[in-house]
Amino acid sequence: GESVGLHLPTLSVQEGDNSIINCAYSNSASDYFIWYKQESGKGPQFIIDIRSNMDKRQGQRVTVLLNKTVKHLSLQIAATQPGDSAVYFCAENMKTSYDKVIFGPGTSLSVIP
Amino acid sequence: DARVTQTPRHKVTEMGQEVTMRCQPILGHNTVFWYRQTMMQGLELLAYFRNRAPLDDSGMPKDRFSAEMPDATLATLKIQPSEPRDSAVYFCASGIQGVVGNYGYTFGSGTRLTVV
Repeated sequence: GESVGLHLPTLSVQEGDNSIINCAYSNSASDYFIWYKQESGKGPQFIIDIRSNMDKRQGQRVTVLLNKTVKHLSLQIAATQPGDSAVYFCAENMKTSYDKVIFGPGTSLSVIP
Repeated sequence: DARVTQTPRHKVTEMGQEVTMRCQPILGHNTVFWYRQTMMQGLELLAYFRNRAPLDDSGMPKDRFSAEMPDATLATLKIQPSEPRDSAVYFCASGIQGVVGNYGYTFGSGTRLTVV
C-alpha cells in the first residue's frame, strides 16, 4: 500500500547551520507534496508545498526538493534558528483523492544554540 | 487570523465512558477533517466531510467511533465506549475543496484525550 516515511526520526543542528530533512514516499500516483511544522502543543502548520511537475521550490529560508525517480522529498532550512525546533512532517496527496492527505511519521528537529 | 477551534483542549475519562470532541471550522471552509495523533502511529486520517456530508471514514473504527456535522459551524467526533488505546491527540482541520496546502488545511490545536 501507499506510505510516506522518513529516513531520520531525529535531527540536531547547530544554530545558524542549514538543516536537511528527508522523506521517502512509495505511491507514484501522488502528485502533490506538503511539508508541515508542528510545535509542541499545536497542530501542524503548513510550510511549503510542491507539485510533481516541479523538482524544486523555494520559500522564505526553506527549499523543498522532489526527486520522482527515487521517490524522495527533502526540506532544507537555511540558517536554522531556535524557533525552527519542531517536528516536521512530509505529506502526500493523491490524484485519485484530491483532498486526502497522508502524513509521514515525522522528524524531530532540535536546534542547538 | 481565522482559526479552527477545538474543544475541549484536554479530556481525561474513564474506560467505558462516552467522549465527544467538538470542532468549529473556519467560516467558509467546506471540508472538515479529523486526524488522530499518537507516538506509534503518527497522524492518521480518521474521517473527512465536504459540505457536511461524510466523504471517507475508512480510517475510523466503526464500532465505537462516529463523526458528524450537525451544521456548517460544528463537527463532532464521538467515542462510545472509550478505551485506553483511544488515548491520543485528536486534531480537526478545515479547508476549501480543491485547495490543499497554504490555502487548504488549517489545523486546530487538538484535543488531548486520556482514557484511564
